[in-house]
Amino acid sequence: EAQVTQNPRYLITVTGKKLTVTCSQNMNHEYMSWYRQDPGLGLRQIYYSMNVEVTDKGDVPEGYKVSRKEKRNFPLILESPSPNQTSLYFCASSRDRGGAGANVLTFGAGSRLTVL
Amino acid sequence: AQSVTQPDIHITVSEGASLELRCNYSYGATPYLFWYVQSPGQGLQLLLKYFSGDTLVQGIKGFEAEFKRSQSSFNLRKPSVHWSDAAEYFCAVGAPDTGRRALTFGSGTRLQVQP
Repeated sequence: EAQVTQNPRYLITVTGKKLTVTCSQNMNHEYMSWYRQDPGLGLRQIYYSMNVEVTDKGDVPEGYKVSRKEKRNFPLILESPSPNQTSLYFCASSRDRGGAGANVLTFGAGSRLTVL
Repeated sequence: AQSVTQPDIHITVSEGASLELRCNYSYGATPYLFWYVQSPGQGLQLLLKYFSGDTLVQGIKGFEAEFKRSQSSFNLRKPSVHWSDAAEYFCAVGAPDTGRRALTFGSGTRLQVQP
């Protein structure tokens, strides 16, 4: 089944303890992206990657890192999590390199992170 | 920069009734427009999209949306709501002239369906 898989789905951690949320897609998509969802704010883009080894900041990148060493994986790294990073995180991917179809995103099921 | 407004935070309809969810956007040209649905504990599923052409687009699960350029709107409709439609709905805008493909989302409308 074509999908975007995120792990963990739920995580409670403490301030300052480094964590990684993994994202993997099996659709051979070039483009991948991370969003966070907060009540009343919708989803906001954190980072994106046009293809392997190419990543760039989105709208809310502070406090996050990413890497894209393989096409299928795009982990989100919180080096020193803080309570304001408590959120629901979504990974997404897209097949096309450009054009309208490139905007059609396939989303993972989400990872709910709580930082105490 | 583009923006999206979903004026209704929460809507309750009776099963079998018609539904319209409102979405207004701000963008200098014609954007790409999307509606996504998020069921509890699930990711976002694409309902429908508009890129160009016919302004009335059909989607999955019996949903449709109409692009009205003069009103900068892309409202979602369904003629008869089913209990399984209870979920949160997000309107999103994509900018054709940017390479990073960031969708701008509205804050969402939560739909409750009464039996």
